[in-house]
Amino acid sequence: GAVVSQHPSRVICKSGTSVKIECRSLDFQATTMFWYRQFPKQSLMLMATSNEGSKATYEQGVEKDKFLINHASLTLSTLTVTSAHPEDSSFYICSARDYDTGELFFGEGSRLTVL
Amino acid sequence: KQEVTQIPAALSVPEGENLVLNCSFTDSAIYNLQWFRQDPGKGLTSLLLIQSSQREQTSGRLNASLDKSSGRSTLYIAASQPGDSATYLCAVKGGKFQFGAGTQVVVTP
Repeated sequence: GAVVSQHPSRVICKSGTSVKIECRSLDFQATTMFWYRQFPKQSLMLMATSNEGSKATYEQGVEKDKFLINHASLTLSTLTVTSAHPEDSSFYICSARDYDTGELFFGEGSRLTVL
Repeated sequence: KQEVTQIPAALSVPEGENLVLNCSFTDSAIYNLQWFRQDPGKGLTSLLLIQSSQREQTSGRLNASLDKSSGRSTLYIAASQPGDSATYLCAVKGGKFQFGAGTQVVVTP
């Protein structure tokens, strides 16, 4: 199957700093990528849909100024957690959709810990 | 609003037994349904994708069926192995992708 690479896999930062997470589709072009947040023992919560060359669409309750999403190319989307606080600590996962088949492929996830 | 339910939430079986995982959804107007596996602290690995026009898909020991009219999909894993221990999630694609909460599977040696 297709490969989606997510980096970094783990990041620890101080409260008030910003953290950027990258999501790359390695062997296909992804016009649409998705960012999720996952709490322990819970399913995925969709945060936003990232569309190449346009603004992201955020789900209700997700602060767009706090979670900045950029999808500047067909293979790269980034999520920046701005002015991170301990409550932002979580597991963030990205996915990309293969346009031809509709199949979703996921990155390995990024564990963010804000001290 | 589409709701996706997975039952049971957890399952433990001895090695060699067949696994049966269920996924139900409330709105039958879907494009496809996808089954994933998630290992602890990892992302999701795609197992099988069933398009709305299909009844089933097979890959190795895995077989997934889809009955749109009744809003159900079942994932069968034959001859389970300890390496099959993971959380299995289903996702349906309607207007958006909607995920179930998952079934946590433990296969004991």
